[in-house]
Amino acid sequence: SQQGEEDPQALSIQEGENATMNCSYKTSINNLQWYRQNSGRGLVHLILIRSNEREKHSGRLRVTLDTSKKSSSLLITASRAADTASYFCATVHTTSGTYKYIFGTGTRLKVLA
Amino acid sequence: SQTIHQWPATLVQPVGSPLSLECTVEGTSNPNLYWYRQAAGRGLQLLFYSVGIGQISSEVPQNLSASRPQDRQFILSSKKLLLSDSGFYLCAWNRGEWNSNQPQHFGDGTRLSIL
Repeated sequence: SQQGEEDPQALSIQEGENATMNCSYKTSINNLQWYRQNSGRGLVHLILIRSNEREKHSGRLRVTLDTSKKSSSLLITASRAADTASYFCATVHTTSGTYKYIFGTGTRLKVLA
Repeated sequence: SQTIHQWPATLVQPVGSPLSLECTVEGTSNPNLYWYRQAAGRGLQLLFYSVGIGQISSEVPQNLSASRPQDRQFILSSKKLLLSDSGFYLCAWNRGEWNSNQPQHFGDGTRLSIL
């Protein structure tokens, strides 16, 4: 079964507002990553947070990680219409000589102009 | 710089027909390669991954197979497609290093519709 579960499944906000989406997972991880997917396209990596980190920033993105709760959140500040996309968390696990990326079900974000 | 190519972009196939989707990576050597399937509005399901030529690991028992005939080429195949094989297929790569702290890089996917 998939490791990550995002909530909410869908989110609609006005331009300029902040968007927060959450990810929960089940077992220990090496790191957690967030990706963005525009409709009909491949995923694009946004940010990575290691298991020993609690918070990370990149531009308008802020990611937190709570390993005790097995959860992470992605905050997009001052959202823009161009942020409209689906966002996925992925947990990374060591297995059989490589790393497996387990993706969640995603949050569909719609930013209204 | 590294790039990943997937083709075709869209494909409509009848039930029972064969399938071959191709993915190639440029600008890197010995990448780890991955095939995912994404159902409409859903997350990604890992199908296969490969750490080297001829080395394929399957995640889910199914009607599909994968091959890696060259270092930077990854092929997804089926001998007889089922209706349930419909979906959006994504190829991805990351560096073949013993380092988990790296992202995956995705192609633009193939939209497969089975009639």
